Amino acid sequence: SQQGEEDPQALSIQEGENATMNCSYKTSINNLQWYRQNSGRGLVHLILIRSNEREKHSGRLRVTLDTSKKSSSLLITASRAADTASYFCATDISDYKLSFGAGTTVTVRA
Amino acid sequence: DTAVSQTPKYLVTQMGNDKSIKCEQNLGHDTMYWYKQDSKKFLKIMFSYNNKELIINETVPNRFSPKSPDKAHLNLHINSLELGDSAVYFCATGGRMNNEQFFGPGTRLTVL
Repeated sequence: SQQGEEDPQALSIQEGENATMNCSYKTSINNLQWYRQNSGRGLVHLILIRSNEREKHSGRLRVTLDTSKKSSSLLITASRAADTASYFCATDISDYKLSFGAGTTVTVRA
Repeated sequence: DTAVSQTPKYLVTQMGNDKSIKCEQNLGHDTMYWYKQDSKKFLKIMFSYNNKELIINETVPNRFSPKSPDKAHLNLHINSLELGDSAVYFCATGGRMNNEQFFGPGTRLTVL
């Protein structure tokens, strides 16, 4: 079974707006990662947050992690058309093994 | 230079056939993976190799046989293809255990 679950499944926003998506997981983790997948392409790593971190920034991305609630959020600020993609969270459930959710599909309208 | 490459990008074949997908990485990473992504975008790990040794086999049918001739290559051979094997298969590599992974562009397999 999948460890991570993203919410919402799909999100449609206007260019310039912020997009927020959430990830919940079940077991304890060492780190949580977010990936982006453009249509027809492979996944691209965006950001990794360790279990002892609460917030991390990378450019227009902000990730939070709440280990007590077993949840994480990804915020994309000032969205652009190029941000249209599916976003996945991944948790390390054991050595050499990441578990991915089903992703949130984000559509940014011009 | 493409960091992780896969061939072919598309594969259309009949049920019962045998096919192979090749993966090569030039990142010098020790660990390589095969993932299967279904039509609902669920991405599930199939195999993990570290230094050419099989580390993880996620109860994948033995019709699927990965082979790692060296650290830069991890190929996937599939025997007796079934309709349910239709999916996108991704190769990935990782430098350090459970850290960032680098994905190939995927191989879309369609079994008719």
